Amino acid sequence: EVQLVESGGGLVQPGGSLRLSCAASGFTFTSYEMNWVRQAPGKGLEWIAYSSVSGNTIYDAVSVRGRFTMSRDNAKNSVYLQMDSLRAEDTSKYFCARSRGDYFDLWGQGTLVTVSS
Amino acid sequence: DIQMTQSPSSVSASVGDRVTLSCRASHDIDRWVAWYQQKPGKAPELLISAASSSQTGVPSRFSGSGSGTDFTLTISRLQPEDFAIYYCQQAKSFPFTFGGGTRVDVK
Repeated sequence: EVQLVESGGGLVQPGGSLRLSCAASGFTFTSYEMNWVRQAPGKGLEWIAYSSVSGNTIYDAVSVRGRFTMSRDNAKNSVYLQMDSLRAEDTSKYFCARSRGDYFDLWGQGTLVTVSS
Repeated sequence: DIQMTQSPSSVSASVGDRVTLSCRASHDIDRWVAWYQQKPGKAPELLISAASSSQTGVPSRFSGSGSGTDFTLTISRLQPEDFAIYYCQQAKSFPFTFGGGTRVDVK
C-alpha cells in the first residue's frame, strides 16, 4: 500500500524538543521530494519544510528557521523533523507530504504536537 | 512571499448545485496552482495540479481554471461527499503558500 506514516508527536513544554518521523512505503521513495506541512487546530495549512530527493537541498519557512531541521534517510525511506525551542504557537498537527513538481500528491495522517506547560 | 487569498471563506450549497471557488495570488504565478480537499480529521487530498490537471480518480465534476493571478475551482454538481474545506496552493516559488480555505457546507 502506498502510504506515509508519521510518528513522534506528543505533549512538550515550551522550550522543549521533539523529533518527528515519517516512514514511506509502497512507492519508490527516491523518486520524490518530501515536505512537512502543519495545521494548527481549526486553522489552515502552513508549509514548513522541503527536502530534495538526495536530502542535500532543504528549504524551510521563516516561522521555523533556526529551530526546526528537516532531514532525510533514503536507506530507511524516511524523513524527519527535529523541532527545538518549541513555542505554544507550534501546536499543530504535522503532516509529511510527498511531492514531485511541487504539488503534494500524497499525505500522511498527521501527528499532533502540543506545546504547553 | 506569494500570498494566496481565497474567496468566499465559506459557501452554503445544496446537493446538485454548481459551486465556484476563487483563489487570487499576490503575484503572477503562471499556472502553478493546486487545489486540495480536506474533510474533518483527515489529511488534505490533491484534486487539481497545474491549475487544471485533475489527479487520477478525481471525479469529473471537479475542474480548475485560470492563470496568472486568478484561479477557480468549480464543482459542477455538488455531491454529499463534497462538503469539505478546499485550499489552493501556489507552487511557483518557495515558500509554498496556501490560501486560507473555503468551507463548503450544507445549505
